Amino acid sequence: AQSVTQLDSQVPVFEEAPVELRCNYSSSVSVYLFWYVQYPNQGLQLLLKYLSGSTLVESINGFEAEFNKSQTSFHLRKPSVHISDTAEYFCAVTLYTGGFKTIFGAGTRLFVKA
Amino acid sequence: DGGITQSPKYLFRKEGQNVTLSCEQNLNHDAMYWYRQDPGQGLRLIYYSQIVNDFQKGDIAEGYSVSREKKESFPLTVTSAQKNPTAFYLCASSNRGDGYTFGSGTRLTVV
Repeated sequence: AQSVTQLDSQVPVFEEAPVELRCNYSSSVSVYLFWYVQYPNQGLQLLLKYLSGSTLVESINGFEAEFNKSQTSFHLRKPSVHISDTAEYFCAVTLYTGGFKTIFGAGTRLFVKA
Repeated sequence: DGGITQSPKYLFRKEGQNVTLSCEQNLNHDAMYWYRQDPGQGLRLIYYSQIVNDFQKGDIAEGYSVSREKKESFPLTVTSAQKNPTAFYLCASSNRGDGYTFGSGTRLTVV
């Protein structure tokens, strides 16, 4: 069965420190991988995605994620966080089994402290 | 600009009342989805539709109904059979697995 595990429910970090939000998945078929961000009382926004090609993908606001097929991981990193990065982050995988199916992780709440 | 519009942003429902949440997209996406989000919890799939005039139940469909008469529209009705409807509802659309576009959500409260 396919699944997505976000290993940390909450990650507190000081401003300007680096952060890593961990995501592991389980699937017997090839997957597309995504990270979404959700600010309070808003919908989710696509942050970055891996469909094919380079295993390192970047977003416009300094986040990056690396697809590691052998470890079935897609961890999200940022070298220096800002207060404005405080939000909930969701990892998701999409696979094709006769139709596209997407599975979301439970989310990681990133709290950036001054 | 293309996107998804959910309305209303806030909705109050009395006990035993049916309410309908609107979701409209102008992205020309084939697939549309409804999710429920409770405080501190992830997303749970209510219904989804891959094509007009067709839809399937998700993980928590009981007490909800949908229709997909037009490609652009996927309204969700929360019926009186849904015993705990207070939640944040999110609509999304996608095109062939290329990631989801979400609406801004509807917060439903039972009064």
